[in-house]
Amino acid sequence: QQQVKQSPQSLIVQKGGISIINCAYENTAFDYFPWYQQFPGKGPALLIAIRPDVSEKKEGRFTISFNKSAKQFSLHIMDSQPGDSATYFCAASTYGQNFVFGPGTRLSVLP
Amino acid sequence: EAQVTQNPRYLITVTGKKLTVTCSQNMNHEYMSWYRQDPGLGLRQIYYSMNVEVTDKGDVPEGYKVSRKEKRNFPLILESPSPNQTSLYFCASSTTRDRGQGELFFGEGSRLTVL
Repeated sequence: QQQVKQSPQSLIVQKGGISIINCAYENTAFDYFPWYQQFPGKGPALLIAIRPDVSEKKEGRFTISFNKSAKQFSLHIMDSQPGDSATYFCAASTYGQNFVFGPGTRLSVLP
Repeated sequence: EAQVTQNPRYLITVTGKKLTVTCSQNMNHEYMSWYRQDPGLGLRQIYYSMNVEVTDKGDVPEGYKVSRKEKRNFPLILESPSPNQTSLYFCASSTTRDRGQGELFFGEGSRLTVL
């Protein structure tokens, strides 16, 4: 019940295209859903986050869509750029305590 | 500069030789945690601490110990390392204000190899 599933495992997108990464969870006690971006040799860094009382949040080219009834949320990267090539992790937590991360998606944006 | 500092960044050791990975943050964060990152498994939480002298197990605590005697430091101790603890380890910190829904700040990682 603590697991967060994430797909796809890897994704290749052309420059200017849309990248979509999906996550699903089971624990309805989760109340915070962040996405983290990790470049090789670096620690993950917060990209964007959402709470379950909101269905969508947009920050620049990055959008989280949240479906509470389906217990799913997704990250959309519009106008994908080569600099977006990284590993993306979805995560969930309850009261900011036990963070559970998905297995990650390796995104490659071709120039 | 706000940062989480881990040491060592790279370590090769042998089975059974006790080691400590240090973690220090300069943001006065209450919350600190340790994760291990393995291919295909993502980040898995080992231990976390909500404040000084308050620690709790994450999802994979077996074989690890932690302590939180000072707010800024949260060392990870491997009393008797085994090869299955070969991994990339990350320390992270965050404020617990706003119901803990704040940004996790991660260190640069410590790559540990146990022979």
